[in-house]
Amino acid sequence: NAGVTQTPKFQVLKTGQSMTLQCAQDMNHNSMYWYRQDPGMGLRLIYYSASEGTTDKGEVPNGYNVSRLNKREFSLRLESAAPSQTSVYFCASSPEVNTGELFFGEGSRLTVL
Amino acid sequence: AQTVTQSQPEMSVQEAETVTLSCTYDTSESDYYLFWYKQPPSRQMILVIRQEAYKQQNATENRFSVNFQKAAKSFSLKISDSQLGDAAMYFCAPPQGGSEKLVFGKGTKLTVNP
Repeated sequence: NAGVTQTPKFQVLKTGQSMTLQCAQDMNHNSMYWYRQDPGMGLRLIYYSASEGTTDKGEVPNGYNVSRLNKREFSLRLESAAPSQTSVYFCASSPEVNTGELFFGEGSRLTVL
Repeated sequence: AQTVTQSQPEMSVQEAETVTLSCTYDTSESDYYLFWYKQPPSRQMILVIRQEAYKQQNATENRFSVNFQKAAKSFSLKISDSQLGDAAMYFCAPPQGGSEKLVFGKGTKLTVNP
């Protein structure tokens, strides 16, 4: 069972470069999420997609864009990376929006120099 | 804005002993779910236990149980018979905005001493 798969797992960027984090789930979940985790800050929601075709901002959306490509895939794009975006990024999915139970990927460590 | 407070940044427990991690939150929802997640050094987030707010009975999953006090907006996690594999960061996650957008606490780092 693959569950939630994120790629890449590690990435180093220079300031101003762009990149896309890919996320795919094979559990037929409706909702998908992108979080970032910084030391001492817990997890903070960047964007989420309650269902295919919809996306909404979370707590820290500035500097990011997302695309819900289909029910399985939810990508996160950094158009012009900044050192403040150095973080570990987690994709998650949820089978039912109202229950909120999340299934997480393994995380992607991004460093912006 | 939703607030979540885990007042213990770090905790330690002896193997086989019991430890309780605290969490308080604020929400305007009346019906919601609450969660505790575990993040071991491998980094993957794993669901530990879930509580439905409309249920008065506290949830239990093997050695893990919660003490849920809805009026006080308190949701603590009790780990009984602690094992070395329980060492991890633990995050409390009550809901925000109708459970679609989970807000996480800053976490409690649990160390289990042999």
